[in-house]
Amino acid sequence: KAGVTQTPRYLIKTRGQQVTLSCSPISGHRSVSWYQQTPGQGLQFLFEYFSETQRNKGNFPGRFSGRQFSNSRSEMNVSTLELGDSALYLCASSPQGTGMGGTEAFFGQGTRLTVV
Amino acid sequence: QQPVQSPQAVILREGEDAVINCSSSKALYSVHWYRQKHGEAPVFLMILLKGGEQKGHEKISASFNEKKQQSSLYLTASQLSYSGTYFCGTEVPGGSQGNLIFGKGTKLSVKP
Repeated sequence: KAGVTQTPRYLIKTRGQQVTLSCSPISGHRSVSWYQQTPGQGLQFLFEYFSETQRNKGNFPGRFSGRQFSNSRSEMNVSTLELGDSALYLCASSPQGTGMGGTEAFFGQGTRLTVV
Repeated sequence: QQPVQSPQAVILREGEDAVINCSSSKALYSVHWYRQKHGEAPVFLMILLKGGEQKGHEKISASFNEKKQQSSLYLTASQLSYSGTYFCGTEVPGGSQGNLIFGKGTKLSVKP
C-alpha cells in the first residue's frame, strides 16, 4: 500500500511569488491535513480537508489556502511569499480524520520550501 | 491552545529511561504521540483516549491523566533507535475530527 506522497520535495522561491504544493493521500483516506514545521515551533496546523470541504482551519493568514479534489488529493497554495514562510510543509492523511475514534495520521515526507 | 511539552530536549545513554510530558490548558478527548527522525516523516506511536483506552503499535508506554489534562510517554531501556523528536498531538472535546494540535516537540538523543 503506497504511503502519503508529497511533491515536490524541495522548492526555492523568491519573495512575492506564489507556490502550490501537492499531497496524494493513502488510497481510501478522505481526510487530509496540512502542517507547517519550523525549528522551535513544532507542527503548526494549517487546515484540514475532508471530502473536498475545508473542515478545520488553523491560525494562518489568508495567503495560505488549499483545496481537495474528488480523488482526495489535496493542494496547498501560498501567495505573496514572505521569508518567514520558509519551512517544511507536511501533509497527513487518515480515513475519516484523527479524532473521536482514535485514528492515527499518516504523514508524508514533506515539501521543504525556501523563500529567498 | 498548543500543548506544552517538557523537557525540550534530553540526552540519554543506551539502557536509560526517559519520560516526556505533555500538558494542555484545555480538557482533552485524546492524546496522540508521534516520533520524527531527522529528515523523515513523523511516525505514529500511540493514541490515548478519554476513558483510559490505549492504542499503540510499539513497546512504548504512556499515561493519560484526564483530570490534570496531561499525558506522559515512558521510554524504558532506551535504544539508539529511540533517538528523534517526539510530538504530542491533542484533541479537545467538541472539536472537529481532523484537528490535531501538536506541541513543539521533545528532542531525544540516545548515545552509545
